[in-house]
Amino acid sequence: DQQVKQNSPSLSVQEGRISILNCDYTNSMFDYFLWYKKYPAEGPTFLISISSIKDKNEDGRFTVFLNKSAKHLSLHIVPSQPGDSAVYFCAASGSGAGSYQLTFGKGTKLSVIP
Amino acid sequence: GAGVSQTPSNKVTEKGKYVELRCDPISGHTALYWYRQSLGQGPEFLIYFQGTGAADDSGLPNDRFFAVRPEGSVSTLKIQRTERGDSAVYLCASSQGTSMEQFFGPGTRLTVL
Repeated sequence: DQQVKQNSPSLSVQEGRISILNCDYTNSMFDYFLWYKKYPAEGPTFLISISSIKDKNEDGRFTVFLNKSAKHLSLHIVPSQPGDSAVYFCAASGSGAGSYQLTFGKGTKLSVIP
Repeated sequence: GAGVSQTPSNKVTEKGKYVELRCDPISGHTALYWYRQSLGQGPEFLIYFQGTGAADDSGLPNDRFFAVRPEGSVSTLKIQRTERGDSAVYLCASSQGTSMEQFFGPGTRLTVL
């Protein structure tokens, strides 16, 4: 039972355009969400996060949007650069017991074409 | 060191053998986590340490898996009687206190033949 779902295994975007990566979750106890980027043979690198009390968080070219009613979040990268090519994981954690555990989606492989 | 380090980077072993995987967290981080990532999947939680004690080991798949953190810094994940299904990348992460932002090491790729 996948509690965090990334339904697009891959995405190709032209350099300079916007990349939109989507993530859905089913557990209503999740209240903190993170995006990680992973290059081959490296561990995941923290990118950006959002608390459930917000609906948007921005950091440079990266913006995360959260729609709690739809249990959906998205990561926008604009403008996309070739160096952004990587696997992006959406992760979630809850409050209370087990809140330190991150539950990950399967990832979306982003390819930015020069 | 600047980041989380893990050794070895690769480990090949035979079915039935015992293996130890080491994690060196970021200096000063009190929380340490182990995750396992199988091919085509996201990382899955195994165990969480706050200081020296395992605060939650609910993600360990069975009693062949065990982890320690005797001095509250370096941690070792131990797998007894390895099986082919144990083949995966084992990731370690650490965080400052109860911060949600976990910093990951490069992982150890375990292959059980």
